[in-house]
Amino acid sequence: DGGITQSPKYLFRKEGQNVTLSCEQNLNHDAMYWYRQDPGQGLRLIYYSQIVNDFQKGDIAEGYSVSREKKESFPLTVTSAQKNPTAFYLCASRSLSSLGGYTFGSGTRLTVV
Amino acid sequence: KNEVEQSPQNLTAQEGEFITINCSYSVGISALHWLQQHPGGGIVSLFMLSSGKKKHGRLIATINIQEKHSSLHITASHPRDSAVYICAVFDTDKLIFGTGTRLQVFP
Repeated sequence: DGGITQSPKYLFRKEGQNVTLSCEQNLNHDAMYWYRQDPGQGLRLIYYSQIVNDFQKGDIAEGYSVSREKKESFPLTVTSAQKNPTAFYLCASRSLSSLGGYTFGSGTRLTVV
Repeated sequence: KNEVEQSPQNLTAQEGEFITINCSYSVGISALHWLQQHPGGGIVSLFMLSSGKKKHGRLIATINIQEKHSSLHITASHPRDSAVYICAVFDTDKLIFGTGTRLQVFP
């Protein structure tokens, strides 16, 4: 079945360490997105990519980095520069030829101690 | 003021009740999504609509473009419907999310 796979589901890291969250899709979707979810807030866009080897900053990109070397993969690195990294991170994708039509992953809950 | 407002924030119901969740938005949109987030965190897309009404099983979504308002209805609610329901609007090239409505349905 086609879908988005995020791994791991839970991640613990020490403060000051970089950590990379994985997002893989086999839907042949052009665009991929990373969102952050905090309690009581709507999902906020971190980065997105509409084509391989190209990506754009979202609303809260500071302290994060991404790459899009393959169409299927869009990993997110949470760097030590991110002041408050503990959050729930969601990856999504969509085909640019369809209006909307997002598919979401199951998320990664990152806890920095 | 948030661009996407949902009400209520929290909702409890007895099994079998009819549920309505509302979403109002202030931006121009090309589509509106209703999403369901279960306690594990994963999100499932329930509906994408740009006009009128859609129905899937016990779920019904409506949108009024002129009034910038959408509703999600659940008929004959069941405890398995307990989740957070999120409204998101598609503006140009990105989604703008509401903060969600937490629904708990008790047997």
